[in-house]
Order: sequence, then C-alpha cells, then structure tokens
Amino acid sequence: RKEVEQDPGPFNVPEGATVAFNCTYSNSASQSFFWYRQDCRKEPKLLMSVYSSGNEDGRFTAQLNRASQYISLLIRDSKLSDSATYLCVVYGRDTGRRALTFGSGTRLQVQP
Amino acid sequence: NAGVTQTPKFQVLKTGQSMTLQCAQDMNHNSMYWYRQDPGMGLRLIYYSASEGTTDKGEVPNGYNVSRLNKREFSLRLESAAPSQTSVYFCASSPNFSGGSYNEQFFGPGTRLTVL
Repeated sequence: RKEVEQDPGPFNVPEGATVAFNCTYSNSASQSFFWYRQDCRKEPKLLMSVYSSGNEDGRFTAQLNRASQYISLLIRDSKLSDSATYLCVVYGRDTGRRALTFGSGTRLQVQP
Repeated sequence: NAGVTQTPKFQVLKTGQSMTLQCAQDMNHNSMYWYRQDPGMGLRLIYYSASEGTTDKGEVPNGYNVSRLNKREFSLRLESAAPSQTSVYFCASSPNFSGGSYNEQFFGPGTRLTVL
C-alpha cells in the first residue's frame, strides 16, 4: 500500500465549477500536511499547508481529518489557470527518518 | 535571485556511463534534497543534506552518490547508469530540515535523464 494515495484523475471540469480532491495517508505519526501544485513538465510548488482546523486561501480550501487519515482540497470557481497536477504531501517519520512523502498526484483539466 | 538551478536540463546516457547532475541555490538554505519522479510513483527522495557537511540516504539511494560541495551546491552522481534510472530528477532546498510550512521546499526546474 502506498503511504500517500491519491486518485490520479484526470478530473475534467468546466470553468466556474467546484472540484474536490482527496488524499489518504497511512502513517498515523504524520505531523504536517501540504498541497503542492505541479504544472506540466515543471517543478512542484507549494500551494498551501493543511492545518487541523482547516484553512482557506482565496478559492482554495484544505481540510484534514486525522482520525480518518484523510486530506482534501476544494477549489471553487475553477479557472483555466488551475489546470495542473495537485500533489498531496505528508511529513513525518518514515523508518526512523523524517521526510516528506509525496502522493503521485491528481490531474485537473479545466475546460472553457 | 535565481532560486534553485539545475544543470543539465536534458541528458541521454548509454548504460554504464557516468554523469553528475549539478544543483545550486542562492537562498542561503541549510537543507538540500534530490528526488526522482517517475510516472505514477510520485516524487521519491534519493538523498538529502540536512546541513552543510552532512548527507543521508533517502528512500531510493541505490546507484547514486551525492556531494554537498558547500552551502550552495549539492550534486548527484550516477556512477554506472542503468535504464531503470531513466527519470526526471529534481533538486530542492529548504531553510532547514523539518516539515513545518516555514520550511517549504523550493524545487529546481528538473533534469530529464534517459538511459539507453
């Protein structure tokens, strides 16, 4: 079982739609959680951190459920520029070593 | 500021050849990392350097070596390339080695390596 699992998609949505991505993680000792965005053939960039109480950054809302080991990202009013792959990232101890573990990503395609 | 730079951008090797991927950052970060990204696998940590003078193995270190040349530079060496090392390689840096959002990792543009 992968440590961080995401639905690979692609999610094809029209402009203006609301779309949600989910992510599950297996290491209950995980401490920090993030969403990174990766454009096609580009490097990943931090989109937002995910806090226990949930947090919002403009059109983006992230939620964390530690009991279910589940993270979500909600994008409202999708723009063409939101088309990218969204990586769920978890930080914690892995076989004695602290490290970031990346999911394989969910691809979003926003269509006009 | 250039951020994190990597050279080369593309490389084709034959099995058994060696090469070094270069990475440099100008953000005065203490920690640097090498990842590989393969389709369907996500980014996997090869090696990291928590601070100048230290290096440690990540999840997939076999077939690679690293050198933290100074605070700015962290190189990745393939001594005898194999087709299984065909991948996109990303270098990253962060202020320090911990997972808080204040230690966001900044990535370089990547090196696309093909081993024939």
